Amino acid sequence: GAVVSQHPSRVICKSGTSVKIECRSLDFQATTMFWYRQFPKQSLMLMATSNEGSKATYEQGVEKDKFLINHASLTLSTLTVTSAHPEDSSFYICSARDIDRATEAFFGQGTRLTVV
Amino acid sequence: KQEVTQIPAALSVPEGENLVLNCSFTDSAIYNLQWFRQDPGKGLTSLLLIQSSQREQTSGRLNASLDKSSGRSTLYIAASQPGDSATYLCAVTGGGNKLTFGTGTQLKVEL
Repeated sequence: GAVVSQHPSRVICKSGTSVKIECRSLDFQATTMFWYRQFPKQSLMLMATSNEGSKATYEQGVEKDKFLINHASLTLSTLTVTSAHPEDSSFYICSARDIDRATEAFFGQGTRLTVV
Repeated sequence: KQEVTQIPAALSVPEGENLVLNCSFTDSAIYNLQWFRQDPGKGLTSLLLIQSSQREQTSGRLNASLDKSSGRSTLYIAASQPGDSATYLCAVTGGGNKLTFGTGTQLKVEL
């Protein structure tokens, strides 16, 4: 199957700082990547859809100025949590769809963000 | 708005038992349905993908079925093993290629 690499896997940061999370498709090109957030013992909630070369589409209730998404190439999307607060602590997971296999979604390993 | 529900929320079985996980969705206008496995603190591993035109898919000890018209899918795990212990998530792909996830079933297979 296709491989999606997400980095870092864990990060601890101080309140008020910004954190960047990278999502890379290693062996395929992805025109669309998705960013999810998962709270403990809950399912994944879609935050935004990232399209290569254009602005991301955010789900209702997600602050686009707080969660900056950049999809500069067909293999890389980044999520930057700006001015992080403790309530932003969560598990963030990215997903990518292969251009050639547009129906199946592949997921990164996730990033555990803790804001102290 | 699509809603996906999984039953049961948690399940504990002895090793070797066959088991069925259930997934239901409210909007039958889907492109496909995927079953995932998630280990604690980890990302998702895709197990099976069923296209909307298909009825079932099999991979090893796993068999997934799809009844699109009634909005239901099942994941059958044969001869369960302790290594199968994880959270199982189903997700449907709808408009905009967006995945809507179910609530998950936490499975524990005991020795």
